[in-house]
Amino acid sequence: SYELTQPVSVSVALGQTARITCGGDNIGGRNVHWYQQMPGQAPVLVMYRDKIRPSGIPERFSGSNSGNTATLTISRAQAGDEADYYCQVWDSSAAVFGGGTKLTVL
Amino acid sequence: EVQLVESGGGLVQPGGSLRLSCETSGFTFSDHYFDWVRQAPGKGLEWVGRARNKAHSYTTEYAASMKGRFTISRDDSKNSLYLQMNSLKTEDTAVYYCARVGEAGTCDFWGQGTLVTVSS
Repeated sequence: SYELTQPVSVSVALGQTARITCGGDNIGGRNVHWYQQMPGQAPVLVMYRDKIRPSGIPERFSGSNSGNTATLTISRAQAGDEADYYCQVWDSSAAVFGGGTKLTVL
Repeated sequence: EVQLVESGGGLVQPGGSLRLSCETSGFTFSDHYFDWVRQAPGKGLEWVGRARNKAHSYTTEYAASMKGRFTISRDDSKNSLYLQMNSLKTEDTAVYYCARVGEAGTCDFWGQGTLVTVSS
């Protein structure tokens, strides 16, 4: 089965750029989606098809996907961006989530 | 406003059964696929399965670990999605979310989740 690998945690200074990676075999050939989950809340879609922002998601959020790594980039990080982030792809008629990355804004 | 509201969670003994419901509003239910996704306490997201719409013959897909024990169904007349869970195990303890499937197969709207606890 297909596996997605994310770092357990990423830290970023307030106002700086955070990059959260999602690794998978030739993931560049797949559509990658990203979800943000605040503590105690349901996930929210923040990026789909690698780099498309849903309505209401700030332009500070961007995405890329190439080779074996997809990346969610958060520019000018804010305290309100602290959350868990999950990447997701579809593989063989099943959705696969990465293990999640906890973003801490220092 | 798009809304999805899960219900039916609770405490169940190992080997027992439970049926979760997801009532929706604010959009045309019959047009969409739906997913169930679960999250064990302190853990990440785990996809449970998908229900397609009438145009795709109401077919379903399941995660390998849940196939045969879990069944997803829908009632378009009630704008509702269901998850029947049988032969429950302690490791099925989780918050269960229903989600609408949108663009590119993403889960574009989620319910607030319902907690299922499997314990003796």
